[in-house]
Amino acid sequence: QKEVEQDPGPLSVPEGAIVSLNCTYSNSAFQYFMWYRQYSRKGPELLMYTYSSGNKEDGRFTAQVDKSSKYISLFIRDSQPSDSATYLCAMSARGGSEKLVFGKGTKLTVNP
Amino acid sequence: NAGVMQNPRHLVRRRGQEARLRCSPMKGHSHVYWYRQLPEEGLKFMVYLQKENIIDESGMPKERFSAEFPKEGPSILRIQQVVRGDSAAYFCASSPWQGEGTGELFFGEGSRLTVL
Repeated sequence: QKEVEQDPGPLSVPEGAIVSLNCTYSNSAFQYFMWYRQYSRKGPELLMYTYSSGNKEDGRFTAQVDKSSKYISLFIRDSQPSDSATYLCAMSARGGSEKLVFGKGTKLTVNP
Repeated sequence: NAGVMQNPRHLVRRRGQEARLRCSPMKGHSHVYWYRQLPEEGLKFMVYLQKENIIDESGMPKERFSAEFPKEGPSILRIQQVVRGDSAAYFCASSPWQGEGTGELFFGEGSRLTVL
């Protein structure tokens, strides 16, 4: 079983839709959970960061962590064509300078 | 403030040649990470370095791969005697400090290696 599982999609939605992206993991030591966004031919950039369980909201983006189920989600409200990218979940057992374990990424296309 | 700079952006090598990938971290960052992204795969950790020290190389293949981060100059990822399976995008990331924090890594745009 892989440490982090993420459905690679691709996912195609109309503009304005609510998008739900998910990852499951097997390592109960993970405490720090991140979502990175990667545009085509670019490096990943940090989108959301959460520690332990709970929700975090930033504008149109909401990250949820359920440690009991080993499940994390990223919701995008009112999706825009500019949100079209690959979304990578990542996690680590310790924050700061610690190697991250990434999911494969979900490719999202938002159609105008 | 310049971001993480990687070069070359694209590199083509024939089997058996050497590949050298360079990474200059963001100004003020002393921690460098190398990740590899194979086609249709997620990013995989390779190595974590601080100036003149390898902190964690648990993701590095045992042979042909090496990394350094000298006191002066960029970090270098070196792949000797490349094979077709080494074709991938190699990303460098940097962070400012060690310890509990955001875990934010600042990634470069990657070096794409193609082995013919």
